[in-house]
Amino acid sequence: DGGITQSPKYLFRKEGQNVTLSCEQNLNHDAMYWYRQDPGQGLRLIYYSQIVNDFQKGDIAEGYSVSREKKESFPLTVTSAQKNPTAFYLCASSIVLAGGTNTGELFFGEGSRLTVL
Amino acid sequence: AQRVTQPEKLLSVFKGAPVELKCNYSYSGSPELFWYVQYSRQRLQLLLRHISRESIKGFTADLNKGETSFHLKKPFAQEEDSAMYYCALSGATKLIFGQGTELSVKP
Repeated sequence: DGGITQSPKYLFRKEGQNVTLSCEQNLNHDAMYWYRQDPGQGLRLIYYSQIVNDFQKGDIAEGYSVSREKKESFPLTVTSAQKNPTAFYLCASSIVLAGGTNTGELFFGEGSRLTVL
Repeated sequence: AQRVTQPEKLLSVFKGAPVELKCNYSYSGSPELFWYVQYSRQRLQLLLRHISRESIKGFTADLNKGETSFHLKKPFAQEEDSAMYYCALSGATKLIFGQGTELSVKP
């Protein structure tokens, strides 16, 4: 089954702990994204990556970190510095066009719900 | 600044009634706009994009540069249209989403 796979689906964390959310894709897409989805606030971009070993901060990167060591993988670490980490996290990927722009069509995973106890 | 605004958090209509989900944007350039939909227990997925000028599941959206709007319309709502709808703006390397509108179609 091709697409984006996020794991785990549900995760509980104690305050002060770091946690890493996994995102893997087999679509051979160059670009990958992490969004945070909160009720009433829509999707807010955390980090994105257009190419392996390179990534950029989105609008709400503070308290998060990412890596892009492989094309198919883009894990997100929610650190203890993130003040309000309880949320639904969505990973996505897209094709990058020759000029470096994206097509606008993102393919999303099923999401990971993180709850801080 | 690049921004997408969806003024309605919730839109509730009866089956067969017309639907219009509002979207306004702010972008200094030639915008590319999209509508995404998330049905219950399904992944967020692309519904339509303005450059295609297509109708998907009876929905259409016209880009109005003068009013900086990209409203989503359907003449006769169906119960299966109930979902969360997001308007999105392509900023070259990333997609900026609005706050989302929950559409509820009642029988």
